Amino acid sequence: QSALTQPASVSGSPGQSITISCTGTSSDVGGYNYVSWYQQHPGKAPKLMIYDVSKRPSGVSNRFSGSKSGNTASLTISGLQAEDEADYYCCSYAGSSTLVFGGGTKLTVL
Amino acid sequence: QVQLVQSGAEVKKPGASVKVSCKASGYTFTSYGISWVRQAPGQGLEWMGWISAYNGNTNYAQKLQGRVTMTTDTSTSTAYMELRSLRSDDTAVYYCARRIAAAEFDYWGQGTLVTVSS
Repeated sequence: QSALTQPASVSGSPGQSITISCTGTSSDVGGYNYVSWYQQHPGKAPKLMIYDVSKRPSGVSNRFSGSKSGNTASLTISGLQAEDEADYYCCSYAGSSTLVFGGGTKLTVL
Repeated sequence: QVQLVQSGAEVKKPGASVKVSCKASGYTFTSYGISWVRQAPGQGLEWMGWISAYNGNTNYAQKLQGRVTMTTDTSTSTAYMELRSLRSDDTAVYYCARRIAAAEFDYWGQGTLVTVSS
């Protein structure tokens, strides 16, 4: 199972919006509406930000949103804040009770 | 409150085995699965597999098949992950996470650093 493809890094200024892509195949991202996104600050455990492509867990800011088109899922963060600087990982169900993560994207808030 | 508390750091020699524990509290243990995810130094997250705490069913990542075993002890609400025939590239922080849906992990343990070195 190959890792999903994410850009290594993205950046934006406070207040701007950024989008992180996550490209897979029809066997994972494109085949199921089970894509989640995790935020990870250095030295910390990951935190769930989006699940089932576009749903937000309770307590997660509505500045975070998710979408999917074909084999590519996307995470958009609007109104960037300094605390959003972190690594972001997508995760997709890949059938037969298996999962696959993306390689991760480092978000820098300029 | 939901908590997953993992066992402490381990240092192992190549070829040895390691068993990491993950003690759950604050919820009905058998109502959710536990997944294990690892992260090599400076690298991304890698899904290792998961176990149903309800019936013990497991699914492992293909690359770890034959080397990994996940178990649970429902009497103590603890999940375990054993990795055998350790290699240097198994050096990583190992996380347990509560799985509540297909690709949804809502609570994570604090991580356990496993170092494989001769």
